[in-house]
Amino acid sequence: DTEVTQTPKHLVMGMTNKKSLKCEQHMGHRAMYWYKQKAKKPPELMFVYSYEKLSINESVPSRFSPECPNSSLLNLHLHALQPEDSALYLCASSPEGTTNYGYTFGSGTRLTVV
Amino acid sequence: GENVEQHPSTLSVQEGDSAVIKCTYSDSASNYFPWYKQELGKRPQLIIDIRSNVGEKKDQRIAVTLNKTAKHFSLHITETQPEDSAVYFCAASMGAGSYQLTFGKGTKLSVIP
Repeated sequence: DTEVTQTPKHLVMGMTNKKSLKCEQHMGHRAMYWYKQKAKKPPELMFVYSYEKLSINESVPSRFSPECPNSSLLNLHLHALQPEDSALYLCASSPEGTTNYGYTFGSGTRLTVV
Repeated sequence: GENVEQHPSTLSVQEGDSAVIKCTYSDSASNYFPWYKQELGKRPQLIIDIRSNVGEKKDQRIAVTLNKTAKHFSLHITETQPEDSAVYFCAASMGAGSYQLTFGKGTKLSVIP
């Protein structure tokens, strides 16, 4: 298995809703990432987990809450989002904590906040 | 921190012609440089990468060159085909021990049949 699987593919949520994005990989990668991508822009790093521990939080608002239940799974819990949070949310993984081998990105969740 | 500049932002070529996209980076400690292709509505996909101990790498119609002294690297696509149309992102990383990729702003490549 050489893929990163993200669910759901599309999500529409209201500003008072609570939802979660899920990401799964079975490549034995020990680093997992959440990125946010707005239209016509490069991906922006949000969080990095290395060996199931949060190692980087790029000053992301607390309405985004990451969780890494085990080495294969990564969640992003969403609460009280704003319309400007609408974007493509990409999960990625890489071997260990290095980027020497590049990321494998998931297909993303297209989030719309209404 | 690292800063990656990418040019041009848009590029149109005739099918069969070559396309070149250039990136410069600021941090001389960066030592790993991947290129990603992102088709409309899809995920970024790694298409080629190069490490700082190598000057050039080829994979069929795609090649990447690196000039460490000048701190720039380039993507070359030969014999372009319509399916090469996409947004291409360059990136830089400090490699082992680093978790972060710094991306360029992207180049939208259009191959005209």
